[in-house]
Amino acid sequence: KNQVEQSPQSLIILEGKNCTLQCNYTVSPFSNLRWYKQDTGRGPVSLTIMTFSENTKSNGRYTATLDADTKQSSLHITASQLSDSASYICVVSAGYGQNFVFGPGTRLSALP
Amino acid sequence: EAGVAQSPRYKIIEKRQSVAFWCNPISGHATLYWYQQILGQGPKLLIQFQNNGVVDDSQLPKDRFSAERLKGVDSTLKIQPAKLEDSAVYLCASSLRVKTSGSSSGELFFGEGSRLTVL
Repeated sequence: KNQVEQSPQSLIILEGKNCTLQCNYTVSPFSNLRWYKQDTGRGPVSLTIMTFSENTKSNGRYTATLDADTKQSSLHITASQLSDSASYICVVSAGYGQNFVFGPGTRLSALP
Repeated sequence: EAGVAQSPRYKIIEKRQSVAFWCNPISGHATLYWYQQILGQGPKLLIQFQNNGVVDDSQLPKDRFSAERLKGVDSTLKIQPAKLEDSAVYLCASSLRVKTSGSSSGELFFGEGSRLTVL
C-alpha cells in the first residue's frame, strides 16, 4: 500500500534556529516528491519538487534532500522566522505523476 | 496567471442539510482534484477528473457526495445530506503534466479551500 509518514507530528522552534522535518515513504513506482507549506486557513503551496535523480534542492531558507534508496526525505529550515509557522506536508507522486500520496504533515510553530 | 478559485470560503450548515462547493482550476489544467482535509490531517483524495471524465472516485462516499465537471473546466462538489463528520476543509487542486528529466511530473496547485462546519 502506498503510504507517506512524517515526523515529528508537531514541532516548536525559537525564531532564528534551524530545524529538520522528516518524511518516509513506501510509494511505487516513484515519480517525484514534493514538500508543501500550508498556512493556517490557506491551501498548500509548493516549496520544492524532487525527482528520482535529485539529492538536494534549495528554495531560499528551505533545503530538501532525497535518498531514493532508503525512501527518505528531509526538509531543513534555516534561521526560522515567525512566518514559518505552518504545516509542512510531504507528497509523493506515484506512477506517471498524477497520483499523489499525502503525508499527515508536521505542524511547526516558530516562537519569538 | 490566476490561481485555483474556490467558493464559498466558509459555510456553516446543520446536519442533514445540503451544501455545494465550486472550483475553477487554472486555465488549461486538464486534471482536477477534490480533497477533504480534516483538522490536523493531510488531504484525502475524494475524486480526480481528467477533463470531464472521472479517473478515481474510489474514496468518495457516493451515498452522500457527488461531483461533476460537465464541460471539463470548473467543477462542483455536493454533499447531501451532510453529517457532523463532514466538517472539514474541501480543497480543490489542478495540475498540468510537465515533462521533467525524462519523466512526467505534474505540479499540483491548490485553491484556498472551502471550510465546512456541520452543526
